[in-house]
Amino acid sequence: EAGVAQSPRYKIIEKRQSVAFWCNPISGHATLYWYQQILGQGPKLLIQFQNNGVVDDSQLPKDRFSAERLKGVDSTLKIQPAKLEDSAVYLCASSSPGGMNTEAFFGQGTRLTVV
Amino acid sequence: DAKTTQPNSMESNEEEPVHLPCNHSTISGTDYIHWYRQLPSQGPEYVIHGLTSNVNNRMASLAIAEDRKSSTLILHRATLRDAAVYYCILRVYNQGGKLIFGQGTELSVKP
Repeated sequence: EAGVAQSPRYKIIEKRQSVAFWCNPISGHATLYWYQQILGQGPKLLIQFQNNGVVDDSQLPKDRFSAERLKGVDSTLKIQPAKLEDSAVYLCASSSPGGMNTEAFFGQGTRLTVV
Repeated sequence: DAKTTQPNSMESNEEEPVHLPCNHSTISGTDYIHWYRQLPSQGPEYVIHGLTSNVNNRMASLAIAEDRKSSTLILHRATLRDAAVYYCILRVYNQGGKLIFGQGTELSVKP
């Protein structure tokens, strides 16, 4: 079974530039999550999708971050414009429709450095 | 968000059992207890989960207290590859089952 795919693996941008991350979840997984992990901290949930609808985006800084999941499969997370404090690893995860009695699978993440 | 409390760090010797504790006193009857671990430079990895009864799988065992306010992740024989940050998470029914990570326990394993 193929895992959660994320790209790019690494990205370096200057502050005020834009950046986009892509995630391809495991086939058939209806739930997709985006997390931000700052060095030394646990992952912070940014947004959760169920198919192509948003379940929770309460922690997403909507003035600069946006996410979409077209057709309920792939997802993109965008930052525009980036700030220094956005330097982090961005993780994508997916899980099957079985709800809380299922596990989530995580990608390797995209390491973003804002200079 | 549902709260869990874990020690910041623990040490273990290789090939000895490890008991990683977690307190979740605000747990409700429909909340599942999940454990994930994160090895250096990797995404989190599922370890085990349970609702009320103790659970075993090839990676670990999960012991859940009778009142469900605490649980313990048991690694039966720690190896150097088990050195990671271990996260105890409540998946809360009325919060869409989202996974909220805390700080976790950093486990180091000595040869």
